Amino acid sequence: EIVLTQSPGTLSLSPGERATLSCRASQTVSSSFLAWYQQKPGQAPRLLIYLASTRATGIPDRFSGSGSGTDFTLTISRLEPEDFAVYYCQQYGSSPYTFGQGTKLEIK
Amino acid sequence: QVQLQESGPGLVKPSQTLSLTCTVSGGSISSGGYYWSWIRQHPGKGLEWIGNIYYSGGNYYNPSLKSRVTISVDPSKNQFSLKLSSVTAADTAVYYCARDGGRDGSDIWGQGTKVTVSS
Repeated sequence: EIVLTQSPGTLSLSPGERATLSCRASQTVSSSFLAWYQQKPGQAPRLLIYLASTRATGIPDRFSGSGSGTDFTLTISRLEPEDFAVYYCQQYGSSPYTFGQGTKLEIK
Repeated sequence: QVQLQESGPGLVKPSQTLSLTCTVSGGSISSGGYYWSWIRQHPGKGLEWIGNIYYSGGNYYNPSLKSRVTISVDPSKNQFSLKLSSVTAADTAVYYCARDGGRDGSDIWGQGTKVTVSS
């Protein structure tokens, strides 16, 4: 099973700032099958990025993903008030699919 | 557009079987190209992938739950289902169904249904 470790656990930033979230895998993620999800309280996760760097339909271009192998990054170029949430990475290249423990992005 | 909706009991007694159904609307579960997944989230915790199924019946399960999980699909009703046997309090969680686009990630999720295991 591939273990995903996200850092930091909590990130405190202000609107307008740049956010950089990290996801490190215990083994190589096959074919860069790495996704990022955003979850707000009481809501289901929302797909932001798949294949490590492809934005999902309707996702603003301030969200970008990068990385390959075992190290992946989600960058939010300029934070909007609605971006403060919990973010999860997920690898879906090998079964069982696994999620990171999440990074909480909070308003400073 | 495609929407998913979970349904089932919100309270299950310990040792019993948890049964949930996900109804797909706005598209056919038999159209192919997608797996149909179940994911859960323990209170205040992260996400745990339970397993998935293809419309023709092929599926994958998380080994940590495999001995207790069955995921099935009913194309005639445009539904897929989760059964989790011998539940304990540790199975208390919000259960989500989702459409798994393979290389494209899980792009559509149900709103989630809270299940509590308690006597």
